[in-house]
Order: sequence, then C-alpha cells, then structure tokens
Amino acid sequence: GQQLNQSPQSMFIQEGEDVSMNCTSSSIFNTWLWYKQDPGEGPVLLIALYKAGELTSNGRLTAQFGITRKDSFLNISASIPSDVGIYFCAGQLQGGSEKLVFGKGTKLTVNP
Amino acid sequence: EPEVTQTPSHQVTQMGQEVILRCVPISNHLYFYWYRQILGQKVEFLVSFYNNEISEKSEIFDDQFSVERPDGSNFTLKIRSTKLEDSAMYFCASSEIGGGKSPLHFGNGTRLTVT
Repeated sequence: GQQLNQSPQSMFIQEGEDVSMNCTSSSIFNTWLWYKQDPGEGPVLLIALYKAGELTSNGRLTAQFGITRKDSFLNISASIPSDVGIYFCAGQLQGGSEKLVFGKGTKLTVNP
Repeated sequence: EPEVTQTPSHQVTQMGQEVILRCVPISNHLYFYWYRQILGQKVEFLVSFYNNEISEKSEIFDDQFSVERPDGSNFTLKIRSTKLEDSAMYFCASSEIGGGKSPLHFGNGTRLTVT
C-alpha cells in the first residue's frame, strides 16, 4: 500500500559512468522527492517533483515523476567520487497527508 | 543557505530516562516534523506540527512521545521514558508550506543511544 519500492539496493560503478535508480509504488503520490544522505548526516534534498510527467534537472541529476504518479526515476550522469552516498526517494501520498514515505535507499559506490 | 539545526548531535541515555531533542527549523517555515532512522533502515515519519498543534502522527508516536514549540524558534521532541528500541537517528525537518506543496528540509540529526 504505502510502501515505496526502491531499486537497486546498491550499485558499484566506475567514475564517469551514468547511474539510474527508481522507485515504484501501488499508491498515488502528490509529491515525489529525491534525497541524498551521507554517513552521519541528514537527508539533503536533490530534486522535488510535483506534477505527473514532470522532468527536472539539477546539474548532472535528472528525475522524472511518472505519468501515473506511482513511480519516479533518478539519473546521475558522468558520476564523480563525491556522488557516493545513499539516495532515497520519498513521496507524499495523495489525500493531504503530511507524512513523507521513504524508500529503503540505493547505496552508491563510485570507484575512481 | 538557511538550514535546520539540531542539538545535541549525539545523546546517550539510560533506559527509563527522559530525553529532549532540540531543533531550530528554518525561520520562515511553518510546518515542522520529526522523523527517525534506525541504523541501516529507512527514514520513518513520527509527527508533523503546524500552528502549535500536532497535525498528523504515526503509530510509532505513542504516549511516550511529545512535541513542543516553546518559543518562536525551537521545536523539541521529548521521550518520557526511553526504551532500548528508541535508539536511532532522530531528524527534524521543516517546510514552508504543508500538504506536499513545498519540500522538507532536514537537519543533520541527533543520534540517540539508549543503554
């Protein structure tokens, strides 16, 4: 129901490679957010998506909100070592809930 | 860039003791939240707060938990009688508007260790 299924769980890539991760759910979300978390720190907002089909970029990051409002992907192009961390998708459910539902995260490792 | 600040960064307490975690949200934000993250797991919603009252809470947020905005800048989470399973990172967050219309900004968290 309110779960966000995030995949892959972890990725090991070479510097310079492109990365793609995604989240799906059986529930409809009003808002979809992508966060990055470094060890010992809080989630840092990367991209916020509000409209179905919306495609938004932030530097080397691109994210899209699915047409059905049940999924989203995040792409990172030309990865660099500082991209390492855990990437979380999070969404606010349709219906006015204040709660952000988080995915389990994708742990990204970039080898120089 | 304005940010959410949390203190302390690490709190160690004995089971049964009360703890208060403190947060200073971004100054023009009106909606405040507490989330927690047990080690290695996903971030979980605890409570949202707007206009000096709780607007939504999860099943985790039982009678042992309370929140308060004692003045114009601080937002606190109190756990009355801590249990071992309360050990987690606790994140405060704030947003300008509620209902998913503006993104949440998180602090760096307080690591609570209950022994």
